Amino acid sequence: EAQVTQNPRYLITVTGKKLTVTCSQNMNHEYMSWYRQDPGLGLRQIYYSMNVEVTDKGDVPEGYKVSRKEKRNFPLILESPSPNQTSLYFCASRDRVAGANVLTFGAGSRLTVL
Amino acid sequence: AQKVTQAQTEISVVEKEDVTLDCVYETRDTTYYLFWYKQPPSGELVFLIRRNSFDEQNEISGRYSWNFQKSTSSFNFTITASQVVDSAVYFCALSEFLSGGYNKLIFGAGTRLAVHP
Repeated sequence: EAQVTQNPRYLITVTGKKLTVTCSQNMNHEYMSWYRQDPGLGLRQIYYSMNVEVTDKGDVPEGYKVSRKEKRNFPLILESPSPNQTSLYFCASRDRVAGANVLTFGAGSRLTVL
Repeated sequence: AQKVTQAQTEISVVEKEDVTLDCVYETRDTTYYLFWYKQPPSGELVFLIRRNSFDEQNEISGRYSWNFQKSTSSFNFTITASQVVDSAVYFCALSEFLSGGYNKLIFGAGTRLAVHP
């Protein structure tokens, strides 16, 4: 089944304890991105990647890092989490086909930072 | 700047009522795409529709219909004869084109629809 898989789905952690949210897709998509969802703000893009070793900042990149060493994986790294990073996170991917534009989203990862 | 406005934060209806979710967008692009996604209580994002800027035809899919009007920069979504299973948060989104032929989605804040029996 074609899908985007995120882990963990739920995580409670404490301020300053480094964590990684993994994202993997099995559709051979070139484009991957991370969004965070907050009440009243909708979804906002954190980082995106157009291909292996090519990443760029989205609208809210502060406090996050990403890497794209393999086409299928795009982990989101919080080096020193803070309470304002408590949010629902979505990974998404899309094929580089002109006009396709439809993102496939993972199931979401709910992160709480105490 | 690209922007999507969903002015209705929450809507509450009784089953079988019709309901329209509003979406107004701003863009400088002449070519763009508009989307609607549904987020049920389980939390995943479900793609509903994509519309490109050159196609202003309204679309109907079962109880769902979409009205795209470039003149008013709106892409409204109507659910006819609503059902409890329609209860969800609905997001409208606009594509913003990036270099290299890719784009990102600009999301509205979402409208929470509650359908009561």
